[in-house]
Amino acid sequence: DAGVIQSPRHEVTEMGQEVTLRCKPISGHDYLFWYRQTMMRGLELLIYFNNNVPIDDSGMPEDRFSAKMPNASFSTLKIQPSEPRDSAVYFCASSMTTGSDGYTFGSGTRLTVV
Amino acid sequence: SQQGEEDPQALSIQEGENATMNCSYKTSINNLQWYRQNSGRGLVHLILIRSNEREKHSGRLRVTLDTSKKSSSLLITASRAADTASYFCATDGDYSGGGADGLTFGKGTHLIIQP
Repeated sequence: DAGVIQSPRHEVTEMGQEVTLRCKPISGHDYLFWYRQTMMRGLELLIYFNNNVPIDDSGMPEDRFSAKMPNASFSTLKIQPSEPRDSAVYFCASSMTTGSDGYTFGSGTRLTVV
Repeated sequence: SQQGEEDPQALSIQEGENATMNCSYKTSINNLQWYRQNSGRGLVHLILIRSNEREKHSGRLRVTLDTSKKSSSLLITASRAADTASYFCATDGDYSGGGADGLTFGKGTHLIIQP
């Protein structure tokens, strides 16, 4: 397996534009997590899915953020409209139900909103 | 909100020395995990210790867990330049009967191994 795949690796966009981040989890993993990492706040859990169903989105900062998982092999995190304070590295991670092997993280998307 | 807090925030040692990082947390846990993050990369899972375990080893890594003090330590023995990275502890909270609820991460310890 190629691991958790995120795209794009880097995204620079202007304030007000829509941004879509993509994630392909490891096949067979039934949990998918979206995290955001900044220097000030560290790693924050935004939302997670189990068997494609959103379970907890309490970490999503505002209504401008939305996430979907239409099938077991694909998830998106969308920000509309984007703001400079959304600049961060966004990570997707997946795990199996037991969690005994920990999470597998993607390489992240570095988002810069100017 | 942060659950785990690592200490120290930064650590610089000579190659070959041992590196010890500590983590404190606030609530009951199912397990505690340690991750490594190289600059510009994603996090890599190193080791998991369950709440009923006190010590665990994996290669040059040794993890201890003291649930009475709500603390854990990660020891890297015989450090190498390639161990230079940030190390994070993450807690899996004990608020459900099973499955994953989302790990809560500390802010990490930045470890520098001087060659």
